[in-house]
Amino acid sequence: EVQLVQSGAEVKKPGESLKISCKGSGYSFTSYWIGWVRQMPGKGLEWMGIIYPGDSDTRYSPSFQGQVTISADKSISTAYLQWSSLKASDTAMYYCARRIGENAFDIWGQGTMVTVSS
Amino acid sequence: SSELTQDPAVSVALGQTVRITCQGDSLRSYYASWYQQKPGQAPVLVIYGKNNRPSGIPDRFSGSSSGNTASLTITGAQAEDEADYYCNSRDSSGNHYVVFGGGTKLTVL
Repeated sequence: EVQLVQSGAEVKKPGESLKISCKGSGYSFTSYWIGWVRQMPGKGLEWMGIIYPGDSDTRYSPSFQGQVTISADKSISTAYLQWSSLKASDTAMYYCARRIGENAFDIWGQGTMVTVSS
Repeated sequence: SSELTQDPAVSVALGQTVRITCQGDSLRSYYASWYQQKPGQAPVLVIYGKNNRPSGIPDRFSGSSSGNTASLTITGAQAEDEADYYCNSRDSSGNHYVVFGGGTKLTVL
């Protein structure tokens, strides 16, 4: 079964760092781009960036450039999203998803809820 | 432009046909993909490319495009189709940037 499994929910304080993960299985992890999508409470989907695990080529949405870091470790079929200093406004559900074709994301992780509160 | 515009809410009577639209300049160059999201769940891809349905998606879902507008049509809407629907496409700049529409809340009456 093709799937992406994300790490569990996190509760952090402002200023703390965080790295969440997305592990792929059931397919060639290095052959598909993996994107990250934010969904703030009660809001829509926002594309954050995308990485090609085969060579770690990474692109960021201008809205998230400099705010987060996307990386991947192809040896363990895992992509990451990390923050160096969280803000309350980072509170959201974060999804990873596999891209096929031009822009379709066909496999989604279950989501990781990040709560940032003092 | 890197924006995709969707109507915030649409309703349809049970068993009737509904069209959900998505407008944006990038749609003149790229196909839209469509996602269904139910409360508390991850999005699910329902249409991609010219009019492709992933395995397991009912054939009452179809996609089309004309000019700067992409459409998702549900023919014979069912109660279980009530959900939020999002379109996405590549950004018109031609790189790997992706943009999502704001989403449409579909109510099945």
